[in-house]
Amino acid sequence: NAGVTQTPKFRILKIGQSMTLQCAQDMNHNYMYWYRQDPGMGLKLIYYSVGAGITDKGEVPNGYNVSRSTTEYFPLRLELAAPSQTSVYFCASSYSKLTQETQYFGPGTRLLVL
Amino acid sequence: KQEVTQIPAALSVPEGENLVLNCSFTDSAIYNLQWFRQDPGKGLTSLLLIQSSQREQTSGRLNASLDKSSGRSTLYIAASQPGDSATYLCAVRGRDNTDKLIFGTGTRLQVFP
Repeated sequence: NAGVTQTPKFRILKIGQSMTLQCAQDMNHNYMYWYRQDPGMGLKLIYYSVGAGITDKGEVPNGYNVSRSTTEYFPLRLELAAPSQTSVYFCASSYSKLTQETQYFGPGTRLLVL
Repeated sequence: KQEVTQIPAALSVPEGENLVLNCSFTDSAIYNLQWFRQDPGKGLTSLLLIQSSQREQTSGRLNASLDKSSGRSTLYIAASQPGDSATYLCAVRGRDNTDKLIFGTGTRLQVFP
């Protein structure tokens, strides 16, 4: 299993540009998450999904959109990039909300908005 | 609102030392608490997961304890090695329906030879 994969690894955007961060998992996990991590800070939840066709907002959803058409993929869309969105973005997945389950994280996408 | 704090923010120790990383949380109504390791430029790797009903978990040289009533957890690393150098994050899972994790800001550990 590849686990959780993310593309691209690094991207530079100009203010106002848009882009989609890709996330895929091959573990047949129902739950998927997007976090952002600002320098020196912990991770904050942007959006999450409990299954295909179901998404919901996390702590910091403004400026982002998500979709979950299949179990495997959970892309994150930035419509109008702003400098405040400069961060490292992590995608994660878990099988269920059973308390014994951990979340599996991808390697991250580093985004710089200039 | 749940808040998670980690102290110290950074720690530099010589190889071989035993060390303790601290994590505190404001709302004791949690399902569990996890400790993660993050290497530079990499994702997070789960180290230990403690259920709310448990007091501690051990894996190799790592031991994590949980005192839910006081809102505290500690990660004990025995006989530290340079390969332990990384950022350590704790995260709590609250009692809601979403499986969301609330993260602390991390402790950046450097173990020098």
